[in-house]
Amino acid sequence: AQRVTQPEKLLSVFKGAPVELKCNYSYSGSPELFWYVQYSRQRLQLLLRHISRESIKGFTADLNKGETSFHLKKPFAQEEDSAMYYCALSSGNTGKLIFGQGTTLQVKP
Amino acid sequence: EPEVTQTPSHQVTQMGQEVILRCVPISNHLYFYWYRQILGQKVEFLVSFYNNEISEKSEIFDDQFSVERPDGSNFTLKIRSTKLEDSAMYFCATDREVGTEAFFGQGTRLTVV
Repeated sequence: AQRVTQPEKLLSVFKGAPVELKCNYSYSGSPELFWYVQYSRQRLQLLLRHISRESIKGFTADLNKGETSFHLKKPFAQEEDSAMYYCALSSGNTGKLIFGQGTTLQVKP
Repeated sequence: EPEVTQTPSHQVTQMGQEVILRCVPISNHLYFYWYRQILGQKVEFLVSFYNNEISEKSEIFDDQFSVERPDGSNFTLKIRSTKLEDSAMYFCATDREVGTEAFFGQGTRLTVV
């Protein structure tokens, strides 16, 4: 079964602390993985995808096929990073996304 | 920057009534999707649409649901006879190429009473 798991509903850190948002997936094929972010009162938007291997707003994520993980990391959290983060898997050739439950990141001053 | 636009932002309807949710995709996008999010739950895929036909649908997308792109611009989701459990936030998303970057609308909150 295709599934994305984000084990933490809420992650609370202080400004300047490192952040790691966990994501594990279950998929039989070659996965395409994404992180989407939703800031307060804004729409879901793409943060990064594993294919592009970019760093966006200081965030990186590495696909680990052995551990079936795609954790999102940032070395120094900023208050403006506070948002809901969704890990998603693109399944099949229709572009459908399978989302995890989402993790709320709260960065305290 | 181009955006996906959804209307209405909030719709309240009586159980058993038909509702139509509308989405205006980004102009050069060819792949269209509907997702929903029941309060407190994950975002769930409903349907994907390409070249004027459904390319994939989920178990949720039963005979009560339909999609169409009647005029080449709006992409609509119709729920024929709403149930209480259809209350959710419905998101439209569009993509220029499959699996690249889905752009989401701001959502329509549907409340069935």
